[in-house]
Amino acid sequence: GAVVSQHPSWVICKSGTSVKIECRSLDFQATTMFWYRQFPKQSLMLMATSNEGSKATYEQGVEKDKFLINHASLTLSTLTVTSAHPEDSSFYICSARNLAGNTIYFGEGSWLTVV
Amino acid sequence: GQNIDQPTEMTATEGAIVQINCTYQTSGFNGLFWYQQHAGEAPTFLSYNVLDGLEEKGRFSSFLSRSKGYSYLLLKELQMKDSASYLCAVLGGSYIPTFGRGTSLIVHP
Repeated sequence: GAVVSQHPSWVICKSGTSVKIECRSLDFQATTMFWYRQFPKQSLMLMATSNEGSKATYEQGVEKDKFLINHASLTLSTLTVTSAHPEDSSFYICSARNLAGNTIYFGEGSWLTVV
Repeated sequence: GQNIDQPTEMTATEGAIVQINCTYQTSGFNGLFWYQQHAGEAPTFLSYNVLDGLEEKGRFSSFLSRSKGYSYLLLKELQMKDSASYLCAVLGGSYIPTFGRGTSLIVHP
């Protein structure tokens, strides 16, 4: 079964609204989680690294005020897409790294469609 | 900086063996992952190598040579369901994984 759960799997929202995506590690504690987005037939693009109890580290070109990341516990990180626009429509995937650093599992991914 | 190279696409016949190569140049090294990703789905974990050598797991094996900055994923007894994208990812010194662009494997009858 899944060791990293991501929810929701699918979400459709209106332009201008906000959407929250949750990422939970089920069988292990994860001090670090990663958020990616992926456009069709393209590679994974790292958006930010989420560290438990501290501010996320964003990759260049990713707006921290638009993509809010919270990592409040060792098993949960959330990504909130604020004031969503159609160009934000994408496949968002989280991954979680265990404390030893030798295992990184992905969540199931979340398809976001902004209409 | 980080640089991960893998072929864009490969084709193979059902029942055959295929080797997908990955070369990398990174700042520090803390391991290399291989993932399988079917279209429209999230990647699934296949293997992790941190020491040189071959790790075998069923039909899939992964090899690492740190001195050469080289890894390969070996798939045996190919099945149609193995048609997918295979991602090579390296954990650099910062423990942040850097992904290659992925190799699209097409298995035909």
